[in-house]
Parts: sequence; C-alpha cells; structure tokens
Amino acid sequence: EAQVTQNPRYLITVTGKKLTVTCSQNMNHEYMSWYRQDPGLGLRQIYYSMNVEVTDKGDVPEGYKVSRKEKRNFPLILESPSPNQTSLYFCASSLRPPAYSNYGYTFGSGTRLTVV
Amino acid sequence: AQSVTQPDIHITVSEGASLELRCNYSYGATPYLFWYVQSPGQGLQLLLKYFSGDTLVQGIKGFEAEFKRSQSSFNLRKPSVHWSDAAEYFCAVGHPSPGRRALTFGSGTRLQVQP
Repeated sequence: EAQVTQNPRYLITVTGKKLTVTCSQNMNHEYMSWYRQDPGLGLRQIYYSMNVEVTDKGDVPEGYKVSRKEKRNFPLILESPSPNQTSLYFCASSLRPPAYSNYGYTFGSGTRLTVV
Repeated sequence: AQSVTQPDIHITVSEGASLELRCNYSYGATPYLFWYVQSPGQGLQLLLKYFSGDTLVQGIKGFEAEFKRSQSSFNLRKPSVHWSDAAEYFCAVGHPSPGRRALTFGSGTRLQVQP
C-alpha cells in the first residue's frame, strides 16, 4: 500500500530533551515536507526536501532540523524542544514539488507532540 | 503577499442538506488548487484538485468544486451531506514562484453535521 509512515503517533517530552520524529514513504517520491498544524493557523511548512541531500527551510524552520540521506526517509529533529513546539506534525510527500504540479501531497497520519 | 482564505472557521449543517465551503486565494495567475479533508485523529486526504480545463471538478466522496477565476475562488460543494462528512476541510494552493515550491494552506473549516 502506498503510504507515508510517521512515528511516533504521540509523544510527550520535557524541555531540552532531543527528539526525532521519523517519516518514511514507499512511493519513490522526490519531494518531502514537514508541516505543523496549530489551531486557527492551518498547516505551516517547516522544512522541505527536493531530493536526497537537498533540503531547505519552509515558513517556520526555527528550532528544527531535517536530513535526507535516503530518498524514502525524512526525519524531523528537535535538538532542544521548547513548549512552543507543542503541536501536531505532519510529514507529506509528492512525486514533484506541489507548487509546480498537480500531484498534491500524500500525508502521514500525524505526530502529536507535547513539550512540558 | 500570497494567501489562501477560508472565511468560515466552523459550519454546522443538517444531515442531507447541501454544503458549500468557501476558499479564496490571492495570486497573480491561476494556481493549482486542492481540497483536503482531515477526519478526527487522521492525516489529510486529498478530495479533489484543479489544474486546468473544466472549471467544475469532481472528487471523492461525492464532493465537487468550482474554480471561478473572476472571483479567485475555489468553493467546495456537496449536494447532500452525510454524518461521516464531519471533519476539517482545508483548501490549498500551489503557485510556482521564486523559492516557493510548497502548497499554501488555508486555516481550515470545521464541519459539524447534525442528525
């Protein structure tokens, strides 16, 4: 089944404790992206990747890191999480950059992160 | 600045009634247009998309949307709503511009369906 898999689904952590949210897709998509969803703000892009070893900042990159060492994986790293990073996070992939095509995204099921 | 507006934060309709969710965008040219649905506890699922051609597009689950260039709108409609349609709906726009490769999402409309 074609899908984007995120783990974990739920995570509660303490301020400053490094964490990684994993994302994997099995569709050979070039483009991958991380979004955070907050009430009233919709989805805001954190980082994206055009292909292996090619990543760039989205609209709200502060406090996050990503890497793309393999085409299928795009982990999101919070090196020193803070309470304002409490949010619902989505990984998404697309065959081509969505703004240049009509492919749209395939989304993962989300990771609800709470930082206390 | 480029933007996507969903004017209705929350809509309540009765089961069997018709539905229209509004979406307006501000871009210079016709962008790629999408509607996504997010059921509780789930990720976003693509309902339909517009690229070019016929301005009325059909999607999954009985939804359709109409692109109106003159109004910069891409409203989502359904003739008869089912209780299972209760969810949050997001309009998204893709517009190729320097340094911009992602979709821009509206803030969402939460749909509640009354029995």
